[in-house]
Amino acid sequence: AQTVTQSQPEMSVQEAETVTLSCTYDTSESDYYLFWYKQPPSRQMILVIRQEAYKQQNATENRFSVNFQKAAKSFSLKISDSQLGDAAMYFCASQGGSEKLVFGKGTKLTVNP
Amino acid sequence: GAGVSQTPSNKVTEKGKYVELRCDPISGHTALYWYRQSLGQGPEFLIYFQGTGAADDSGLPNDRFFAVRPEGSVSTLKIQRTERGDSAVYLCASSPGHPGGYTFGSGTRLTVV
Repeated sequence: AQTVTQSQPEMSVQEAETVTLSCTYDTSESDYYLFWYKQPPSRQMILVIRQEAYKQQNATENRFSVNFQKAAKSFSLKISDSQLGDAAMYFCASQGGSEKLVFGKGTKLTVNP
Repeated sequence: GAGVSQTPSNKVTEKGKYVELRCDPISGHTALYWYRQSLGQGPEFLIYFQGTGAADDSGLPNDRFFAVRPEGSVSTLKIQRTERGDSAVYLCASSPGHPGGYTFGSGTRLTVV
């Protein structure tokens, strides 16, 4: 069974600053994928970034990057130059061995002007 | 369509009633997923369709929940004898079949009173 743990229920950051959201996971699969999703008040889950476990290089998408530590089963999200529009719930998720995603409980990010 | 459409956006029903929630996936997406998101939690997997058949229904909580996808496109999640504990946001997603290729809808917020 897969589990995903987000230990920060809430985080806040000043506009233009950098923030890191934490995620740890557990899986017995050798081949798996990790994701960060953003959920604004509109409720739609929006893919922010994904990481294939077999790739050692950390994924990057513009201001968003991850720190993937496979041995430690850690997958943190760094948001640089935070913008007001980044405020949302952020969910870490894993997928391996089946089609379904397993999500953490989420981190609510507040961006202060 | 351009995205995954879910109707209704909100549904209030009385305890014991029957409800149907509809999902219109992106045209051509063969895979369709239903998730349930309770307040303060991450989404939890309910069922996954590949074409017309349910490939994995291990997340359905009990036999009051049922889902169909008769023509391999639109899907309906059906809940019989609703209970207050069924109150949640029900999210639908579709995918062309590769990991991380999910597109989520905006969900249906079901409230059982």
